[in-house]
Amino acid sequence: EAQLLESGGGLVQPGGSLRLSCAASGFTFINYAMSWVRQAPGKGPEWVAGVNGGSGSSDYADSVRGRFTASRDNSRNTLYLRMNSLRAEDTAVYYCVKDAFKENGLWDAFDIWGRGTMVAVAS
Amino acid sequence: EIVLTQSPGTLSLSPGERATLSCRASQSVSGYLAWYQQKPGQAPRLLIYAASSRATDIPDRFSGSGSGTDFTLTISRLEPEDFAMYYCQQYGRSPPFPFGPGTKVDIK
Repeated sequence: EAQLLESGGGLVQPGGSLRLSCAASGFTFINYAMSWVRQAPGKGPEWVAGVNGGSGSSDYADSVRGRFTASRDNSRNTLYLRMNSLRAEDTAVYYCVKDAFKENGLWDAFDIWGRGTMVAVAS
Repeated sequence: EIVLTQSPGTLSLSPGERATLSCRASQSVSGYLAWYQQKPGQAPRLLIYAASSRATDIPDRFSGSGSGTDFTLTISRLEPEDFAMYYCQQYGRSPPFPFGPGTKVDIK
């Protein structure tokens, strides 16, 4: 059974940094693109960043580009999100998500979601 | 950048009734449209991908249709566990991959 487990969330001051991790199991990690999706309290989900499986190339939402860095370690089956210059509006539950199908040149719908890790940015 | 709108914002229905949820894109997304269900305190769950394909273990009372800019999620007969938030999402060739604002299906 495919599973994702996020860690690393917490309370951080504005301007601070945090690194999230996502441990994957139950599937061949390198074969799938992975993404981070966040959800602010009472709001809908927002795609934040994605990382391709084999190449490790990444892409970002405009709201986080230049501040967040997504990466992966395929030898450890782990996805990361480094978040710098955090702002109050980054406060959200951050989910690690898996593409539904093996890489085929397209980004897919997200079939597996972790339980999420809460990030709160406040002084 | 593509923007998704969903209607209605809230749908009040009784168990056994049919639910019809709409998602409209600001420009064509071809068939790269997914639907998710979310219950309080839980992560979203994939229901439909490629506009009309049911995800693994999703009951056949859930169906999706549409193409281009207009899409519909239909729940043929509402079960008690179906009362939840529903989001559509565009995916495909180039990020970003926006979600719609959601439709809440609640008990009448």
